Amino acid sequence: DGGITQSPKYLFRKEGQNVTLSCEQNLNHDAMYWYRQDPGQGLRLIYYSQIVNDFQKGDIAEGYSVSREKKESFPLTVTSAQKNPTAFYLCASSIDLVGGAEQFFGPGTRLTVL
Amino acid sequence: AQSVTQLGSHVSVSEGALVLLRCNYSSSVPPYLFWYVQYPNQGLQLLLKYTTGATLVKGINGFEAEFKKSETSFHLTKPSAHMSDAAEYFCAVSGTGGGNKLTFGTGTQLKVEL
Repeated sequence: DGGITQSPKYLFRKEGQNVTLSCEQNLNHDAMYWYRQDPGQGLRLIYYSQIVNDFQKGDIAEGYSVSREKKESFPLTVTSAQKNPTAFYLCASSIDLVGGAEQFFGPGTRLTVL
Repeated sequence: AQSVTQLGSHVSVSEGALVLLRCNYSSSVPPYLFWYVQYPNQGLQLLLKYTTGATLVKGINGFEAEFKKSETSFHLTKPSAHMSDAAEYFCAVSGTGGGNKLTFGTGTQLKVEL
């Protein structure tokens, strides 16, 4: 079955540590996205990528970094510069970046900073 | 710039009653509009979307929404609520200017009571 996988489902981090969240898709989609979800705030775009080796900042990119070395993979690193990293992180993909293309979402990773 | 307002962070209905979740948008270009559903600790699933053409859009699980340009609205309805409809619902907008960047509303939690 095609879809998006995110790992791990739950992640705990100590303050000052970097942590990397995994996102893999087998839908053969060109575009991939990372969102952050906080209670009562909806989803906010962190980074997005149209093709391999290319990515763009979203609305809240500070304290995060990404890479896109393979079409199917788009890992997100939450750095120690992110002041409030505890949140639910969702990865998504779409066939391309043309407006109106459906975004398919993974199951999410819940990050908690201790 | 684009934005989405969802009126009512919590909505409660009786099983079998009409479901109405409100969404108003702001967009400087003709919009693409989406409704997604999220069950606890899961990713988002697309219910329906409006891109062009017929303004009444039918989606999965008996939901539908009507795009009203004059009212800048895209309200979600279902004639008869079922217990399994209890979830959080997000309205989102993207512009026709390209990039497929979604702007989400803050969500509406739907509770279905016996």
